[in-house]
Parts: sequence; C-alpha cells; structure tokens
Amino acid sequence: GAVVSQHPSWVICKSGTSVKIECRSLDFQATTMFWYRQFPKQSLMLMATSNEGSKATYEQGVEKDKFLINHASLTLSTLTVTSAHPEDSSFYICSLPGGPDTQYFGPGTRLTVL
Amino acid sequence: GENVEQHPSTLSVQEGDSAVIKCTYSDSASNYFPWYKQELGKGPQLIIDIRSNVGEKKDQRIAVTLNKTAKHFSLHITETQPEDSAVYFCAASNGAGNMLTFGGGTRLMVKP
Repeated sequence: GAVVSQHPSWVICKSGTSVKIECRSLDFQATTMFWYRQFPKQSLMLMATSNEGSKATYEQGVEKDKFLINHASLTLSTLTVTSAHPEDSSFYICSLPGGPDTQYFGPGTRLTVL
Repeated sequence: GENVEQHPSTLSVQEGDSAVIKCTYSDSASNYFPWYKQELGKGPQLIIDIRSNVGEKKDQRIAVTLNKTAKHFSLHITETQPEDSAVYFCAASNGAGNMLTFGGGTRLMVKP
C-alpha cells in the first residue's frame, strides 16, 4: 500500500494561534488527499477532500476559513488550523487513495490547544 | 447518504478465542468494504477488504464475509493474540471518488 507520512506527530499550542499539519505521499503522486478528524473514542470524520491545484472540498459543518487546506504538489497537502481553540484539540489524520477504492492513512497528528 | 452501523462497540475475548465484529450498511450501491485496525495513537491500517462480487475472503487468521442481500458484512479473527488488541473500523464505499463511510469502531481486548 501507499506510504503516508504526517508532520508533526504531535503539537501543543496556545489558544488563538495557528498550526500547520503536513501530509506527504512518499511513494506515489496523489491528486487527491483526504483529511479526517478523530475525537477520543470516536470514529473518523471526514473534514475535506484536498485536490491538487484546485480548491478543497469541505464536508458539511466544516469551516473552510478555519481549516485551510493547500495541495500545492502531488506529494504534499497541508492543513492549517487557524485561530485554534481548545475544542479543536483532536487527532488529525490524512489519507491517500490507493487504487479504485482503498484509502491508506497517515500516522496522525495529535493537536492539543491550551 | 450511506450509514454504517458497527457492533459491538467493545469486545473482550480470551487469547486463542475467536472474535467477530459485525457491520451493516444502508446504501445498496456500496460495493467495497474495507476493515481497518487502529492502535492507540496511530493511524488506521488496512487489514482486509472485500468487494461486492465476493462473498468471503480470508487472509491467515482474518476473514471477512459479505451478505449483499442483508447488507451486512463481518470480520472474523481466529486464534486471537494480545497483539490483536486495538480498535477496528469497518467502512463502506460505492466507489465514487474513494469516499469511505466508517462504522463507529469496536475496541477489541484480547486477554492473555
């Protein structure tokens, strides 16, 4: 399957600051990447679909101005949480399509907002 | 849209016993059903998947069955080991843009 990396693996920030999370495809080019959020003991919730060279597609209820997505190259997508607040604390995971159906997930980034 | 229900939410078994996790889906157009294992603090890992043209698939101690008529699919783990302890997620897709709908997850605990 696809090899996906995320950076950082964890981050702690103060309320009101912005945090950037990177998702990289290490072994193939991805025109699409997905961003998920996972709260403790809950399932994965799709936040947005990142499209290389064009605007991301956000799921209902996800604020596009708060969660900025940039997919400037075929191997890198970034998610920036702007003006982070404690309720944004979560586990953020990206994934890549692998073949016609499958997704391969990154290791996740634990965000804690104080 | 698709809705995936997963049961049980927690499952505790003795090492060596079998574990079964069940999922139901609502969209009859769904045709791809992966299972992911997520260890604490890590991203989900694909462990097995099945497509709608197949009723059963096996990979060593792991098997998945699919009943399209009833719209349910199950994960079977035999001879469980402590390292099988994790959260398992089922998902369903109709093939449109690789979009997956996830079940709520099952926390499996294998007691040595």
